Amino acid sequence: GAVVSQHPSRVICKSGTSVKIECRSLDFQATTMFWYRQFPKQSLMLMATSNEGSKATYEQGVEKDKFLINHASLTLSTLTVTSAHPEDSSFYICSARESQGMKTQYFGPGTRLLVL
Amino acid sequence: EDKVVQSPLSLVVHEGDTVTLNCSYEVTNFRSLLWYKQEKKAPTFLFMLTSSGIEKKSGRLSSILDKKELFSILNITATQTGDSAVYLCAGQETSGSRLTFGEGTQLTVNP
Repeated sequence: GAVVSQHPSRVICKSGTSVKIECRSLDFQATTMFWYRQFPKQSLMLMATSNEGSKATYEQGVEKDKFLINHASLTLSTLTVTSAHPEDSSFYICSARESQGMKTQYFGPGTRLLVL
Repeated sequence: EDKVVQSPLSLVVHEGDTVTLNCSYEVTNFRSLLWYKQEKKAPTFLFMLTSSGIEKKSGRLSSILDKKELFSILNITATQTGDSAVYLCAGQETSGSRLTFGEGTQLTVNP
């Protein structure tokens, strides 16, 4: 299957700092990538849809100024958590959708963020 | 609002048992139903179902979609301890391929 990578896999930061998470599709092109967050024992909640070359579409209740998304190329999207607070601590997962073929979504391994 | 409901939420079985996981969906502009397995990290893709009544198989796992009744099942035969995970189903819409996930079924297979 297709491979999606995320970096970093784990990050610990101080409150007030910004954290950037990268999501890359390694062996396919993805015009669309998605960012999710997952709290313990809960399902994935879609935060935003990232389209290459255009602005991201945010889900209701997700602050676009706090969660900055940039989809600069067909293989890379970044999520920046600005001025992070402890309540932003979560598991952040990206997925990339194939531009061709069955257009299946494949998930990255996730980034665990802990804000102290 | 799109909605996906999975049942049961939790299931404990012994190795060798067969399990059936359920997923019902209400998705506007429905395109397909996807099943994922999530262990400690991010979900791994299992199946994508687009057509009704056609069973997809992969080893001991199989799945089928009923677009009339708006549900899907995931079967696992001869379960093994390595099958222990959360199984997620998601409805995918046509425009933008947005996924709506269910809460997941936590499957525990005991030796």
